[in-house]
Amino acid sequence: EVQLVESGGGLVQPGGSLRLSCAASGFTLSNYWMHWVRQAPGKGLVWVSRIKSDGSSTSYADSVKGRFTISRDNAKNTLYMQMNSLRAEDTAVYYCARDPDYGGYSDFDFWGQGTLVTVSS
Amino acid sequence: DIQMTQSPFSLSASVGDRVTITCRTSQSIRNHLNWYQQKPGKAPEVLISAASSLQYGVPSRFSGSGSGTDFSLTISSLQPEDFATYYCQQSYDLPYTFGQGTKLEIK
Repeated sequence: EVQLVESGGGLVQPGGSLRLSCAASGFTLSNYWMHWVRQAPGKGLVWVSRIKSDGSSTSYADSVKGRFTISRDNAKNTLYMQMNSLRAEDTAVYYCARDPDYGGYSDFDFWGQGTLVTVSS
Repeated sequence: DIQMTQSPFSLSASVGDRVTITCRTSQSIRNHLNWYQQKPGKAPEVLISAASSLQYGVPSRFSGSGSGTDFSLTISSLQPEDFATYYCQQSYDLPYTFGQGTKLEIK
């Protein structure tokens, strides 16, 4: 069974840092692109970042560029998001999502349950 | 960035109704359009990818159509478990963007 389990969320002060993890099981992580998507309370979905299957390529939304870093350890079947210089507007549930990237088409075919990040003093 | 305009924002319907949700993009995305369903407190689930390909396990009452800039998601006969929020998402160009969501409620 495919599973993605996020962890690492919590309450952090503005300017602080957090590291999110997404543990993958039931499939070979190294075969898939992976993404982070966030959802502020009561709001819609926003794409945050993606990383290529072998970790050689990364992309970010402008709102997090220079502050967030996506990475992966395929040997440990884990995806990460290092979040620095956090702002109140980063408060959201963060989801990791799998992207099969088949024949040039992308979608998010499996999602984790999400981890809540709250940035507040 | 590619802008997504999803309508309606909310929709009230009854079990057995046929409903359609539309999504318009600010530029052509060919058929790189996905639809997701999200229930309260849960992660989204993909229903349709590449505009019209039904994901494995998704009931056949769901269908998608469109290409270029205009897309639609149709539920042919609403079931109680279909009341949720639906999002379109383009995967043609980064940053991937989502529609603002359509909340489907029971009449």
